Amino acid sequence: SAVISQKPSRDICQRGTSLTIQCQVDSQVTMMFWYRQQPGQSLTLIATANQGSEATYESGFVIDKFPISRPNLTFSTLTVSNMSPEDSSIYLCSGQTGPYEQYFGPGTRLTVT
Amino acid sequence: DQQVKQNSPSLSVQEGRISILNCDYTNSMFDYFLWYKKYPAEGPTFLISISSIKDKNEDGRFTVFLNKSAKHLSLHIVPSQPGDSAVYFCAASGSAGNNRKLIWGLGTSLAVNP
Repeated sequence: SAVISQKPSRDICQRGTSLTIQCQVDSQVTMMFWYRQQPGQSLTLIATANQGSEATYESGFVIDKFPISRPNLTFSTLTVSNMSPEDSSIYLCSGQTGPYEQYFGPGTRLTVT
Repeated sequence: DQQVKQNSPSLSVQEGRISILNCDYTNSMFDYFLWYKKYPAEGPTFLISISSIKDKNEDGRFTVFLNKSAKHLSLHIVPSQPGDSAVYFCAASGSAGNNRKLIWGLGTSLAVNP
C-alpha cells in the first residue's frame, strides 16, 4: 500500500484565481492520478500524471484548465486555473502500486466564490 | 453511459446483521473489480478486490462475490458494525492499456444502526 498526503486540505478561493494542490506519496508508485468528486457524485478521473512527461487527460478536461506536474515518482501537483464556482469540488490524488489497486489522499475541498 | 452501476443509493442495516451491497457492470472487458469505503472528509480506502478468474474473495468480515455471466458483483459484510457506516464504491478495470484506469460506480451509503 501507499500513504498519500495532500495539501491544502481545503481552501476558499475567488473566481478567476488559481490554486495548486500538492500530492506526496510515501513510497514510489507506478502511476498517479487526479480525480474530482462533486457533491453527490462519483469519482471522475481528471488525468493520469506521468513522471517526466505531459499528463494524459480524460475527455472533458484540458491542460490549460488543469495543468499537472509530476517531477518524480512520489510527488505531483494539480493546478485549477481561472476558477469559477463550477470548479467547487473535492479534488483527490491517488497512487497505484500494483496493477490495479489505487490508494487515495484525504482530498482537497475547494470552494470558489 | 454508466458502465458501473450501483443501483441502491442507500442501505440501512441493523448491527450484527449482514450488509449486502450490489454492483452491476456493462463492459465485458472489465476483468478486475474493487470495493472502496469512504468516510466524509476522507479519501476512499481500498477494501477488497476480485479478479475475473475467481468468483469469491474473502477478507475477514468482507466477502466479494462475482457472477461474470450476470455481470454482477456484491460485497457482503458480516457481521455489520456501526463503524462500517460509510459510502461504498464499486470500481472496475480492464487489463490492457487504457483499460487499466478505474471506472467508478456512484456509491451506496451504508448506515449500520446500533
